[in-house]
Amino acid sequence: AQSVTQLDSHVSVSEGTPVLLRCNYSSSYSPSLFWYVQHPNKGLQLLLKYTSAATLVKGINGFEAEFKKSETSFHLTKPSAHMSDAAEYFCVVSESGNTPLVFGKGTRLSVIA
Amino acid sequence: NAGVTQTPKFRILKIGQSMTLQCTQDMNHNYMYWYRQDPGMGLKLIYYSVGAGITDKGEVPNGYNVSRSTTEDFPLRLELAAPSQTSVYFCASSYSDRGLGEQYFGPGTRLTVT
Repeated sequence: AQSVTQLDSHVSVSEGTPVLLRCNYSSSYSPSLFWYVQHPNKGLQLLLKYTSAATLVKGINGFEAEFKKSETSFHLTKPSAHMSDAAEYFCVVSESGNTPLVFGKGTRLSVIA
Repeated sequence: NAGVTQTPKFRILKIGQSMTLQCTQDMNHNYMYWYRQDPGMGLKLIYYSVGAGITDKGEVPNGYNVSRSTTEDFPLRLELAAPSQTSVYFCASSYSDRGLGEQYFGPGTRLTVT
């Protein structure tokens, strides 16, 4: 069965410093992996997705993630945090087209001025 | 394009009441989904639909019902509301299969059952 673990429930960074949000997954097959962002009182928006092409995936707003099969990880990074990045971030896994998406519990990112 | 719209934004129900959460998308997506989000948790799939007239249960379907008579609309019905159904409900749609296609989310409905 597939599962996803977000290793930090809350991450706090200063504006202009790097962001690292960690995600490990478990899957019996070659999974598809996603990062979604949720700003306060909003729906979720796709940041980026990995679907067995390039292992380094670039997304919107300067975010990127690297798929590491040997470590079963899909960490989200950004070189320089902006205040507007403050939000909840969800790592999501799907094993195949016939299985539903499985969401992590989320990581709340705070950005300090 | 309005994308995915949900009504109402907020609702308070008494125990035992029923209501319908409305969801409409204008992107001609075949796939539509209902999720619930509880505090500190990720989203859990309640029901999904792969096209008009076809629905199926997700991970947490008990206490809910859905229908899909048109491509655009996917209402979620709560019968006999219980406090355990207090949550934020999100509707989503996608143009392709669940595992591969980006899902587009509505703004959510915040439901409180007291």
